[in-house]
Amino acid sequence: DSGVTQTPKHLITATGQRVTLRCSPRSGDLSVYWYQQSLDQGLQFLIQYYNGEERAKGNILERFSAQQFPDLHSELNLSSLELGDSALYFCASSTGAGNTEAFFGQGTRLTVV
Amino acid sequence: AQTVTQSQPEMSVQEAETVTLSCTYDTSESDYYLFWYKQPPSRQMILVIRQEAYKQQNATENRFSVNFQKAAKSFSLKISDSQLGDAAMYFCAYRSGYGGATNKLIFGTGTLLAVQP
Repeated sequence: DSGVTQTPKHLITATGQRVTLRCSPRSGDLSVYWYQQSLDQGLQFLIQYYNGEERAKGNILERFSAQQFPDLHSELNLSSLELGDSALYFCASSTGAGNTEAFFGQGTRLTVV
Repeated sequence: AQTVTQSQPEMSVQEAETVTLSCTYDTSESDYYLFWYKQPPSRQMILVIRQEAYKQQNATENRFSVNFQKAAKSFSLKISDSQLGDAAMYFCAYRSGYGGATNKLIFGTGTLLAVQP
């Protein structure tokens, strides 16, 4: 158990809908990262938050947004869903210091039908 | 931009034998970290081993060791005495070491390792 909790584990939704994925980082970790794993794109970095502030953005679509709350949990919002958004979405957390590891949650499997 | 390349989509090894997974990367940075992650069927991403670029000594974690060739930008993973539980997808990953930079990971495409009994 990495200490990073993601909910839900599985999500099935229809095209055009909006979903929210939730992540609780390890105790003490200030940084949260979101990654997308799909068959055609592989593992891609989406976005990073550090202590409530956006730190870095990767290949995140405009239809996607995220935030980190004062209690440090994070949510990834995916809207106007398309079939191609079906993927495994990982959250990872770290202390945020330069040489510390990132620990991954078990992921949320999103299926858009 | 940094890139990570894993040229072996699939590998197979007999139980108790040794296997080496390849990874090359491209970067203009001198300070960085390299990682191998394991993803078993449970989907969990598990850190196997890490290597700091400034360290010349190759990292070792029990049966797992790396061959880090900085000049060649090569970072291979050797698994000794392979076990059935080692069967998984293995990802090589890069992270910048510069202060203030994001700690995001850049992943390769993965190598699916099968372990034959």
